Amino acid sequence: IAGITQAPTSQILAAGRRMTLRCTQDMRHNAMYWYRQDLGLGLRLIHYSNTAGTTGKGEVPDGYSVSRANTDDFPLTLASAVPSQTSVYFCASRPEGGQANTEAFFGQGTRLTVV
Amino acid sequence: TQLLEQSPQFLSIQEGENLTVYCNSSSVFSSLQWYRQEPGEGPVLLVTVVTGGEVKKLKRLTFQFGDARKDSSLHITAAQPGDTGLYLCAGDSWGKLQFGAGTQVVVTP
Repeated sequence: IAGITQAPTSQILAAGRRMTLRCTQDMRHNAMYWYRQDLGLGLRLIHYSNTAGTTGKGEVPDGYSVSRANTDDFPLTLASAVPSQTSVYFCASRPEGGQANTEAFFGQGTRLTVV
Repeated sequence: TQLLEQSPQFLSIQEGENLTVYCNSSSVFSSLQWYRQEPGEGPVLLVTVVTGGEVKKLKRLTFQFGDARKDSSLHITAAQPGDTGLYLCAGDSWGKLQFGAGTQVVVTP
């Protein structure tokens, strides 16, 4: 089934370690997004990419980096994890960025705990 | 401060009752979307409203886009336990798809 896949599904990480969350979509969508979801705060945008080769900062980009080498993959890296990065991370994609009437499709999420 | 403010944060009602969830912003949007999220899953699109003053119905759910395109509401008639979930509004801001904090709706039998 076509869609968007995240890995791992969950992870416990020691503070100070480096971690990359993977996101792959097979829908040939141009726009991809990373969000974190914390209780009471909804989905907050970390980074986004409206097309391969370009990325932009969202609401809460500090401590995270992304790359978009091709259309399908959009990895999120925590260079040196801290406990405040404990959260559920969602990757999403949609056909085009900046077109508010297109549907965004989400992965199943990665539950990350930094200890 | 989030771009999109949702209220209330939490709503608990009995089956058969009606409820309304609000999404407000100081910014004008070309359109707004509503998503529903269930535990352990990613959000799923319910509807997109595009025209100011537009009303869309999806079975027992009615969505309205404000005339000034700064706000939207979701009304559920005769709620059922299957309506339980986190309801999120979303809008585009300079190419970024941003969400409100969500309204957790719990419908008890």
